[in-house]
Order: sequence, then C-alpha cells, then structure tokens
Amino acid sequence: GENVEQHPSTLSVQEGDSAVIKCTYSDSASNYFPWYKQELGKRPQLIIDIRSNVGEKKDQRIAVTLNKTAKHFSLHITETQPEDSAVYFCAARSFVASYDKVIFGPGTSLSVIP
Amino acid sequence: DGGITQSPKYLFRKEGQNVTLSCEQNLNHDAMYWYRQDPGQGLRLIYYSQIVNDFQKGDIAEGYSVSREKKESFPLTVTSAQKNPTAFYLCASAPLAGSDGYTFGSGTRLTVV
Repeated sequence: GENVEQHPSTLSVQEGDSAVIKCTYSDSASNYFPWYKQELGKRPQLIIDIRSNVGEKKDQRIAVTLNKTAKHFSLHITETQPEDSAVYFCAARSFVASYDKVIFGPGTSLSVIP
Repeated sequence: DGGITQSPKYLFRKEGQNVTLSCEQNLNHDAMYWYRQDPGQGLRLIYYSQIVNDFQKGDIAEGYSVSREKKESFPLTVTSAQKNPTAFYLCASAPLAGSDGYTFGSGTRLTVV
C-alpha cells in the first residue's frame, strides 16, 4: 500500500544552524504535501504545505522543496531556535474524486541545542 | 481550540469496557478523521468520513467503531475488542477538497487501568 518514509527519526542541531528533514512517498497520485509540528503533549499544527505543481515554497525561516519525479520532498529550517524543538511530521495527501486520503510519515524529533 | 474540540482530555478505561471519545468541529468541514498516536510512532489512521452517514476504515480499524450522524460530530468508540487501547487519540477535520491541511483537535489520552 501507500506509505511515506521520513528521515532522520531524530535530529540534533546547534542553535543557529540549519535542519533538513526528508520524506519520500509512494503514491504517484499524491498532489498535496503538508508539514506539521507537534510540541510535546500538544496537537500537530500545520506549518507549511506545498502542491505538486510547485517545486519550492518558503515562509520566513521555513522552506519546503518537492521533487515529484523522484517522489520526495524536504523541510528546511534555517537559523534554528530552541522553540523549533518538536516532532515534525510530513504527509502526502491525494485529492481524487472519490476519496481523500492522507498518509503521515513516522515523524522526526528535532532538538535545537542552545 | 481552533474550531475542533475533543473531549475528554484524559480518559481511563477498565478492561472489557467500551468508551466513547467525542470530536466536534464548527469549521463546516466535510471530512473528519481519527488517528492513534503511540510513543515514537507516527499518526495511524483509524477511521475517516467524507460525508454525513458515511465512513471508511483506515489502517487500524479493528476494535474501533464510529458514527457520522451530523456533519459537525464524529465520535469514536473504543470497544473491548481493542486489546491495546492505551494511546493518544487525535481527531482532525479538513475541507473535502481544498488547499488547507488538517485542523487537529487537542487530543484524548486514553489509559487502560
């Protein structure tokens, strides 16, 4: 079946450095790729998303790139801050006429060391 | 709670009991979802519904049941058939077809005692 792989599972960076999380997906019908941030004990929050007709999207310190041919997409966080510490989930969603399905990656635990 | 409310926040269940988790949204979203989250694991889909009176099994539906009698409500029942129900349960909603991602509820932490 469809799945989404995510790497690394844990990531530690020094404050101010960049962090990159990579995901691959298997469903060629996927056309929407959101990223969620989940702080400990809280709900996941959407931080950025990208559609399949776009290769890159940026929002301040966060950017996402998509390579549809290779079926992979990545989250880039620059100038990391301690408050960026959280678990990050990528997801791949398909909008096909008769169904709407989202598959999440297993998550990456990011620690930003002050 | 961002338009989607889960209750209770914490729930304790005795073995052999059925319990129901509530999820209500006022976002006018057509689609609603239930996920289970275990420590160190991602979000696994239990059930989802794209329209009132219709729902589909996700990847781990065994031992769970749902109903969608109203657009704004999607309660999840954890039955006694679910052998390992201790987990964090997240409800989410989304427009059926749109550019938005999910909106998640704040979750229910279920513990078997």
